[in-house]
Amino acid sequence: QVQLWESGPGLLRPSETLSLTCTVSRYSISDGSYWTWIRQPPGKGLEWIGTISHTGTTFYNPSLRSRLTISLDTSKNQFSLTVTSVAVADTAVYFCAREASNYPPDYWGQGTLVSVSS
Amino acid sequence: ELVLTQSPATLSLSPGEGATLSCRASQSLSSSLAWYQQKPGQAPRLLIFDASDRAAGVPARFSGSGSGTDFTLTISSLEPEDFAVYYCHLRRHWPWESTFGPGTKVDIK
Repeated sequence: QVQLWESGPGLLRPSETLSLTCTVSRYSISDGSYWTWIRQPPGKGLEWIGTISHTGTTFYNPSLRSRLTISLDTSKNQFSLTVTSVAVADTAVYFCAREASNYPPDYWGQGTLVSVSS
Repeated sequence: ELVLTQSPATLSLSPGEGATLSCRASQSLSSSLAWYQQKPGQAPRLLIFDASDRAAGVPARFSGSGSGTDFTLTISSLEPEDFAVYYCHLRRHWPWESTFGPGTKVDIK
């Protein structure tokens, strides 16, 4: 069974850059599938952030696109999310997930809370 | 932009009762509509994909239906572990875009 887990800083100041990594086990990220980031502000719903294919093609939420970068590190079997110029509104639990070409996100990490506060 | 609306926002029911949750899409797309269940402190769990196919290990009391812009998740008889928040999800393949509905909370009456 595919396993994913997120890692990164839990607390940031406004205007700083958020960097998160998702480590994947029991599946090679270069073998196929798409790799997705989703976030959930405290007490609110789910928001798709962006997705990267196993070949490196990226798809971003238009509302966040200007601040986002998603990349692959196949040597470490990881993919990463970078969000620049964070604000309090970026406070959320960030999830990474796997999805197939014709299948929605099925395997998810447990989520990591990122708080932005001055 | 894909937009999903869910109704009702909250559904208060007793164990053993049936539940009907609705999801409406702003555009008529292929049936790449999925349903997720989320409990506090946990990641969402995939229940239904392609509008009506149950994911592996999902009990038969969960069923999905619908096409075009209107979709439904039905729980035939609520078990205590079914009280949670349910999200619908839609993905467009080209250009790739993914969106979740705002969720329906099913709580104990």
